[in-house]
Amino acid sequence: ETGVTQTPRHLVMGMTNKKSLKCEQHLGHNAMYWYKQSAKKPLELMFVYNFKEQTENNSVPSRFSPECPNSSHLFLHLHTLQPEDSALYLCASSRMTRVADTQYFGPGTRLTVL
Amino acid sequence: TQLLEQSPQFLSIQEGENLTVYCNSSSVFSSLQWYRQEPGEGPVLLVTVVTGGEVKKLKRLTFQFGDARKDSSLHITAAQPGDTGLYLCAGAIPSGGSNYKLTFGKGTLLTVNP
Repeated sequence: ETGVTQTPRHLVMGMTNKKSLKCEQHLGHNAMYWYKQSAKKPLELMFVYNFKEQTENNSVPSRFSPECPNSSHLFLHLHTLQPEDSALYLCASSRMTRVADTQYFGPGTRLTVL
Repeated sequence: TQLLEQSPQFLSIQEGENLTVYCNSSSVFSSLQWYRQEPGEGPVLLVTVVTGGEVKKLKRLTFQFGDARKDSSLHITAAQPGDTGLYLCAGAIPSGGSNYKLTFGKGTLLTVNP
């Protein structure tokens, strides 16, 4: 039991839809992350939040909008996505963002954009 | 440009065989982590290596960090079907102040046949 949950596990949406991905961690961590995992590509870091403040935006298109209302919850709001945005979106958390802080991953949301 | 190159990309072996997978870079990392990811799940941390030349053992798995902290290897002895999965290496790089972020390789997909 990783302590990081993600909902929904699967999502199919059209290009004009608006949807949100949710991540919750039960580990008492202060840092949370969004990653994108596409076929034949390395895991790509999208956003980092540390103590609810965004500390990293890895040149992510504005059609992806993160929200971190508290240290336990992280959302990724999606709008007007493209088919190439179809991927596994993984959330992770860690105690902080120091070099020795282990990241714990959730099971991911498999997103398909039609 | 991909910072971390993993090889081989795919590996299919019989139960009981030994194998080694590699993670190489031209960059120096503050630490290097190995994860295993099973279908439908997020990556799970296996080990973190920090010191150049460090060797860590986890049952039948042996991890080594290169002397220059640019590369790493994972050796599995007497592989079992339960070892099947995607093996990811990730290097920690500074991201400002005392903060770090992970950069991942594409992974080695290992299949151990009974």
